[in-house]
Amino acid sequence: GIQVEQSPPDLILQEGANSTLRCNFSDSVNNLQWFHQNPWGQLINLFYIPSGTKQNGRLSATTVATERYSLLYISSSQTTDSGVYFCAVESPNDYKLSFGAGTTVTVRA
Amino acid sequence: NAGVTQTPKFQVLKTGQSMTLQCAQDMNHNSMYWYRQDPGMGLRLIYYSASEGTTDKGEVPNGYNVSRLNKREFSLRLESAAPSQTSVYFCASSEAWTGKDTQYFGPGTRLTVL
Repeated sequence: GIQVEQSPPDLILQEGANSTLRCNFSDSVNNLQWFHQNPWGQLINLFYIPSGTKQNGRLSATTVATERYSLLYISSSQTTDSGVYFCAVESPNDYKLSFGAGTTVTVRA
Repeated sequence: NAGVTQTPKFQVLKTGQSMTLQCAQDMNHNSMYWYRQDPGMGLRLIYYSASEGTTDKGEVPNGYNVSRLNKREFSLRLESAAPSQTSVYFCASSEAWTGKDTQYFGPGTRLTVL
């Protein structure tokens, strides 16, 4: 299956700081999604972004499919941004989502 | 809309016991999925159902069975629980099995097998 690597594994931010999370994948993909898992365990879809750039409030994401990576930007971070951010990619062969191990973000007030 | 719901939220089993995790969605989605999440790892696909009446194995199907009861409901059964199945289980659904759809997740079931 497709290998998905996320970096960094852990990130500690002061409230108001900006940050970039990276997702590298090993093969062509049909679909790439970013998820946020809050401290209570709920998984929320942030972006469906197989290519290009999207923005949603303080979050934005860019996927460069030809170079097999995606970036998630968090601007003006808030304590509510804390949690684990997962990148997941879908193979064009079987449509199954493969998840990275996640980046744990802690935003301190 | 409740979205994707799962029961129970927590469960403790003894080795060898059986149980069924229930999942239901009210979004009229065609495809449903079961994942497990272990510490320090992303989610891994156990089984999926691309459409009503079909089920297929994912990455880690051993020790599990599934039933797509109808379009709304997709259950996961552990016939003889083992400590290695201690995990958090998530159910998800998407509109279609096209490779272009967002998956929506339930709140999870935290299972401990002693």
